[in-house]
Amino acid sequence: QITLKESGPTVVKPTQTLTLTCTFSGFSLTTPGVGVGWIRQPPGKALEYLGTIYWDDDQRSSPSLKSRLTITQDKSKDQVVLTMTNLAPADTATYYCAYRPKSGSYTFWGQGTLVTVSS
Amino acid sequence: QTVVTQEPSLTVSPGGTVTLTCASSTGAVTSDYYPNWFQQKPGQAPRALIYSTSNKHSWTPARFSGSLLGGKAALTLSGVHPDDEAEYYCLLYQDETLVFGGGTKLTVL
Repeated sequence: QITLKESGPTVVKPTQTLTLTCTFSGFSLTTPGVGVGWIRQPPGKALEYLGTIYWDDDQRSSPSLKSRLTITQDKSKDQVVLTMTNLAPADTATYYCAYRPKSGSYTFWGQGTLVTVSS
Repeated sequence: QTVVTQEPSLTVSPGGTVTLTCASSTGAVTSDYYPNWFQQKPGQAPRALIYSTSNKHSWTPARFSGSLLGGKAALTLSGVHPDDEAEYYCLLYQDETLVFGGGTKLTVL
């Protein structure tokens, strides 16, 4: 059974750096073709793709966020970490991590974690 | 920046058929865009329905089908259930990144 769970701060101040952890089970990020993606959703708005880290440590990010975003993995802990710098109120959203199998679909999602950017 | 456009809202009667579409500002959507479709109900995480245009997951009800239609990706629901009322999002691979559509709120009435 594949599960993912996001964890991290619920409130972050403007200009600060956000660090979120996705802890997963039921698959291995060492399997060729596999990845873990990050997607966010501002309250009442649409989903927005952030980026994905792949089994070979290749990281792909949305061009609009590439300069602020880093995604890394800790294979020994089955965790993926999202780091986003210079937060602004517009970054307030529910952040999801999702499992991407070789087929390329974001098949299983975590429950999401709401991050509010406010002073 | 590439924009992916969906109908903001659609209404369908129980038992009816409805088609949701997904268009790209770059031009016609093809299988090379690997269209994905997700369903999201209030307060829940999205649930994957369709990948690579028309492939279903093991849990995807048979009444859901994906296709390409008139230069767009399409999701058709045949024999709609009241439980299908939800927001539906498409996801396209383009310009070496992934872009979600703005979502379609489907009302079953």
